[in-house]
Amino acid sequence: DVKVTQSSRYLVKRTGEKVFLECVQDMDHENMFWYRQDPGLGLRLIYFSYDVKMKEKGDIPEGYSVSREKKERFSLILESASTNQTSMYLCASSADRGRLYQPQHFGDGTRLSIL
Amino acid sequence: AQSVTQLGSHVSVSEGALVLLRCNYSSSVPPYLFWYVQYPNQGLQLLLKYTTGATLVKGINGFEAEFKKSETSFHLTKPSAHMSDAAEYFCAVSGHSGGSNYKLTFGKGTLLTVNP
Repeated sequence: DVKVTQSSRYLVKRTGEKVFLECVQDMDHENMFWYRQDPGLGLRLIYFSYDVKMKEKGDIPEGYSVSREKKERFSLILESASTNQTSMYLCASSADRGRLYQPQHFGDGTRLSIL
Repeated sequence: AQSVTQLGSHVSVSEGALVLLRCNYSSSVPPYLFWYVQYPNQGLQLLLKYTTGATLVKGINGFEAEFKKSETSFHLTKPSAHMSDAAEYFCAVSGHSGGSNYKLTFGKGTLLTVNP
């Protein structure tokens, strides 16, 4: 089974802090994704990466950056946390084989609160 | 551009009753379609997927979905609801969309409540 592990289940930070959310997958997947999930809005894609050191903006990249130095690890960075970034953050990965019909596998999420 | 509409943000059924969760999609190319389930305080788990071939797709936990191209629908059903089915369900579509070959577009989700 694919295992996607997010480093923290719950995190509380202060406004203006630089926040790092870490995600590791163990299936040698090429693609990795970061989403945020808010009630009534579903999942919105922040950034994704299809290879080491490669990244592409998703639908809501403002206020975020990402890092992928190793294939198995994809980090989401909040450069200067703000209260409107309080949310559930979900990491996912998928294989590159055939791309489109490969399902994404999700971690358990990090519930981030910015005070 | 792709889009997904899930009709009904909240569906309530009695235990043993039919579950029907509706999903309509918009895609300019043949789509790949997915249903995911999210239990409280967990990530999303794949229920089933449609790629090509048979339009009736069977998934885990007794769920199935039928791809109807003429109706641009991919509704999720289960003949008899169980208390453990209470969760949020997400429909998603993937397809060539400019350079966004890797992206899934999700619906806003449907919360399923099962009453004893």
